[in-house]
Amino acid sequence: DTAVSQTPKYLVTQMGNDKSIKCEQNLGHDTMYWYKQDSKKFLKIMFSYNNKELIINETVPNRFSPKSPDKAHLNLHINSLELGDSAVYFCASSQRWTGLDEQYFGPGTRLTVT
Amino acid sequence: QQQVKQSPQSLIVQKGGISIINCAYENTAFDYFPWYQQFPGKGPALLIAIRPDVSEKKEGRFTISFNKSAKQFSLHIMDSQPGDSATYFCASQTGANNLFFGTGTRLTVIP
Repeated sequence: DTAVSQTPKYLVTQMGNDKSIKCEQNLGHDTMYWYKQDSKKFLKIMFSYNNKELIINETVPNRFSPKSPDKAHLNLHINSLELGDSAVYFCASSQRWTGLDEQYFGPGTRLTVT
Repeated sequence: QQQVKQSPQSLIVQKGGISIINCAYENTAFDYFPWYQQFPGKGPALLIAIRPDVSEKKEGRFTISFNKSAKQFSLHIMDSQPGDSATYFCASQTGANNLFFGTGTRLTVIP
């Protein structure tokens, strides 16, 4: 069973479009995250949710809006896509918000904006 | 602002050799230092981690050395194998589970 899953795995779209990426974890974790990995492989946190509440928003443009319908899901909606949004987006989860718990990463969604 | 600096960017090692990746941090609030391994097309996965109250942690062929006064830590992979070829990320973490990653090291182990 996949612990953290994301859909779709690949997403190709044009500038200006709106798209969503879905994430689900079956680990029973309280905390979920979105990371962006750029073309140079640099990984940076975007958002963190704990029990459906936003904890971290790391200076991400407001075109990006995370939504957590329940503890097991954290979706990422992106409006008015730009070329610079092209990256691999990773969802992750951890048992708790505090406590230095291991973060489990999903397989990633490669977004290409043309 | 890069919270964690990592070097080298890439590393080529012969099978059986030792791979060494170095990281440095500035923020003394960090209190957990994990290393993540990422294979192509996959998400990062925790490899090994250390708390700052110990200077070394070993798990199989992987060892973290930690120097609190210098604010540096490193990953040593003994007897490197072709299957170790991956990108390695050091990270630093506060008690709030906020992970700051290094820039990554692409390791290639030549048979």
